[in-house]
Amino acid sequence: NAGVMQNPRHLVRRRGQEARLRCSPMKGHSHVYWYRQLPEEGLKFMVYLQKENIIDESGMPKERFSAEFPKEGPSILRIQQVVRGDSAAYFCASSLGGSNQPQHFGDGTRLSIL
Amino acid sequence: AQSVSQHNHHVILSEAASLELGCNYSYGGTVNLFWYVQYPGQHLQLLLKYFSGDPLVKGIKGFEAEFIKSKFSFNLRKPSVQWSDTAEYFCAVKGGSNYQLIWGAGTKLIIKP
Repeated sequence: NAGVMQNPRHLVRRRGQEARLRCSPMKGHSHVYWYRQLPEEGLKFMVYLQKENIIDESGMPKERFSAEFPKEGPSILRIQQVVRGDSAAYFCASSLGGSNQPQHFGDGTRLSIL
Repeated sequence: AQSVSQHNHHVILSEAASLELGCNYSYGGTVNLFWYVQYPGQHLQLLLKYFSGDPLVKGIKGFEAEFIKSKFSFNLRKPSVQWSDTAEYFCAVKGGSNYQLIWGAGTKLIIKP
């Protein structure tokens, strides 16, 4: 499968635990975007990364959330000390270049906080 | 601020009916426009996109959309729907040289066989 790969598909955490969501972009894509979808809402932009760089994290909550896209390996979205309100679907997209390239999406990770 | 409005949250149609899903956006400059579809249990897929040129855009699976700049609209259409079109449809907008996709809330389309 040459598409965007996200894992896990479903993640259950208790309040206070850490959640790590992984995203492997399409082959050849060096631009990664994370979006969050709350129930009955559209996707909301969180962060845009290129290899080893955070380009725009204006959509990320100021605390507990962080993202990285290392030189080797997948992009990671990390949520520390999760709370009930973090329950959502988290989608990763990748693109070949910047603004003029379409974004291709993964299946998403559905995070549930108990 | 940019925003995208999808008029209907739920639409129910019979097979062979014609479909039009509304999408309006607010943004003052050049825009790129997208429709994505999410079939049950699957990832988001790009249906069609508009960057420039002919405002009537043809996409996959018989879908098309028309960009009407004066109305800030990008409505999705299909002349005759099938049961397999049951899915959630999202309209998204990207301003000019920007990269953030701004999304509508989605429309859940159910086609009765």
